[in-house]
Amino acid sequence: AQTVTQSQPEMSVQEAETVTLSCTYDTSESDYYLFWYKQPPSRQMILVIRQEAYKQQNATENRFSVNFQKAAKSFSLKISDSQLGDAAMYFCAYNWPQGGSEKLVFGKGTKLTVNP
Amino acid sequence: EPEVTQTPSHQVTQMGQEVILRCVPISNHLYFYWYRQILGQKVEFLVSFYNNEISEKSEIFDDQFSVERPDGSNFTLKIRSTKLEDSAMYFCASSGGREETQYFGPGTRLLVL
Repeated sequence: AQTVTQSQPEMSVQEAETVTLSCTYDTSESDYYLFWYKQPPSRQMILVIRQEAYKQQNATENRFSVNFQKAAKSFSLKISDSQLGDAAMYFCAYNWPQGGSEKLVFGKGTKLTVNP
Repeated sequence: EPEVTQTPSHQVTQMGQEVILRCVPISNHLYFYWYRQILGQKVEFLVSFYNNEISEKSEIFDDQFSVERPDGSNFTLKIRSTKLEDSAMYFCASSGGREETQYFGPGTRLLVL
């Protein structure tokens, strides 16, 4: 079964600094999708970024970028120029719809604190 | 920008009662999902729904749970006889295709007393 591991329960960063959140996953598939979702205190799940495994280029969305290392099964999220509004739980997720299942498998999350 | 909506935002119920959680997916989406998150834990998949039938369900989704798309816009999750351990945040999500991104609603916080 596919699993997603986030080894950092909590992280903190100073406002305007850069922080990297780690995620590793386990799969025997070669074509799949990876996601980072943000969950602020309101608890809504908000998509931050998405990566297709067949793409070698790392996905970026404004201040958010990923470092996708397929061979190492690693998918870290880098937040540049951190803002107070970035404070949230961040969940890494995986799915493999090509195999017939769209279900997202989530990690346990990393709580990010942004210090002013 | 279109978004998934869910009602109610909070629900408190007595153990053994039936609850119905409602979701309105993004209008042109065809794939619908329910997830739940027990407080302090990770988000867990419950069920996926496409073409008016369940396409996949998890072990959590037992006979006490059911889903329905009663009309062209709503997607509901029914828990027939709630248990204390059903207390959680329930998220609805939808996507435009099997390989498309799933967009989540704001969640319904269910408390079973």
